[in-house]
Amino acid sequence: EPEVTQTPSHQVTQMGQEVILRCVPISNHLYFYWYRQILGQKVEFLVSFYNNEISEKSEIFDDQFSVERPDGSNFTLKIRSTKLEDSAMYFCASSYITGLFFGSGTQLSVL
Amino acid sequence: AQSVTQLGSHVSVSEGALVLLRCNYSSSVPPYLFWYVQYPNQGLQLLLKYTTGATLVKGINGFEAEFKKSETSFHLTKPSAHMSDAAEYFCAVSGRSGNEKLTFGTGTRLTIIP
Repeated sequence: EPEVTQTPSHQVTQMGQEVILRCVPISNHLYFYWYRQILGQKVEFLVSFYNNEISEKSEIFDDQFSVERPDGSNFTLKIRSTKLEDSAMYFCASSYITGLFFGSGTQLSVL
Repeated sequence: AQSVTQLGSHVSVSEGALVLLRCNYSSSVPPYLFWYVQYPNQGLQLLLKYTTGATLVKGINGFEAEFKKSETSFHLTKPSAHMSDAAEYFCAVSGRSGNEKLTFGTGTRLTIIP
């Protein structure tokens, strides 16, 4: 069964450092998303991406965040200068028509 | 704007008992509704979804949910709980273009008592 793959599963970084979270969406999907889940809180939408551009972003997705689809398979989330409050589980998702399929997440810890 | 309310952040049921997880939504447009399950240290797995048609939808692992427009509800049920059902369950809503973002509820942690 096709699945969304995220790497790494865990990432530890120092405050102020740049991190790149990587995702390989399901191959025939057209829409791509990043969500995050701070420990004990709800899953929050960050950004959606379609046709090589951002289609929607939340207030969380400020200038420190960026997304890219550098080739036909990868979808990345970059945080330029991490803050303590960026510590969370980050989920990538993709969809074709209805229903998002999520990866298993990257646990980001900012020290 | 859309929102989801899940009543009960923690629910405990005995093995073999009925599971009922409550979800109410608010949406200015006809919604699509979803239930996702998250097992410990794993991602979100789609359990079931309502888009159009039959209001009672069946999902994986014996779960089902009924869309009740008059009550703005989409409660998740399973007739007989198994130990393996212990997980966090999230209700979510989106608009009807299909590719719209999901808005999640705060989740309900289901514990199964042996």
